[in-house]
Amino acid sequence: QKEVEQNSGPLSVPEGAIASLNCTYSDRGSQSFFWYRQYSGKSPELIMFIYSNGDKEDGRFTAQLNKASQYVSLLIRDSQPSDSATYLCAVNVGGNMLTFGGGTRLMVKP
Amino acid sequence: EAGVTQFPSHSVIEKGQTVTLRCDPISGHDNLYWYRRVMGKEIKFLLHFVKESKQDESGMPNNRFLAERTGGTYSTLKVQPAELEDSGVYFCASSQVTSGNPQYFGPGTRLTVT
Repeated sequence: QKEVEQNSGPLSVPEGAIASLNCTYSDRGSQSFFWYRQYSGKSPELIMFIYSNGDKEDGRFTAQLNKASQYVSLLIRDSQPSDSATYLCAVNVGGNMLTFGGGTRLMVKP
Repeated sequence: EAGVTQFPSHSVIEKGQTVTLRCDPISGHDNLYWYRRVMGKEIKFLLHFVKESKQDESGMPNNRFLAERTGGTYSTLKVQPAELEDSGVYFCASSQVTSGNPQYFGPGTRLTVT
């Protein structure tokens, strides 16, 4: 079992819809959770981080964390074609290193 | 404020040669990390510096890899001698504080070993 799992996709949504990206993790000691966006050939760009159970909103993005079920999700409201990218879930178990999932490719169709 | 920078952006070398990658973290960030993504795999942690000290090098694959951060500013990652399986994208990241704080990534160095 991988430590951080994501559906590789592609996840295809129409412009203006809500995109829902999910991530599960195996280590119950995980403390910090991050979502990065990566355009092809570019570096991972931090878009959200969450530490506590519940929802955290920032503009069109909402991160949701459920430690009991060991999942973290990212919702993108009013999806735009420019949101088309690979979204990486990263988890900090303890110490400082990040453990990444394989990423979900999102395609927003005009 | 400048982000994390890496040099070179792309390097093609032959098996057995040596390559040195450089990373300049965000100014004021004491924590510097190296990660690697090989084809088709997840991004994997290599090591972590706090200032000039190696805090965690548990992800370094073998002793052909040597990382340094003299003076606690920029860092270099040297691969000597390079093998085919070392091909991939090497990312550097930095953060202000340790213990779960967000890490900001550089553009990466794409290394191709032929």
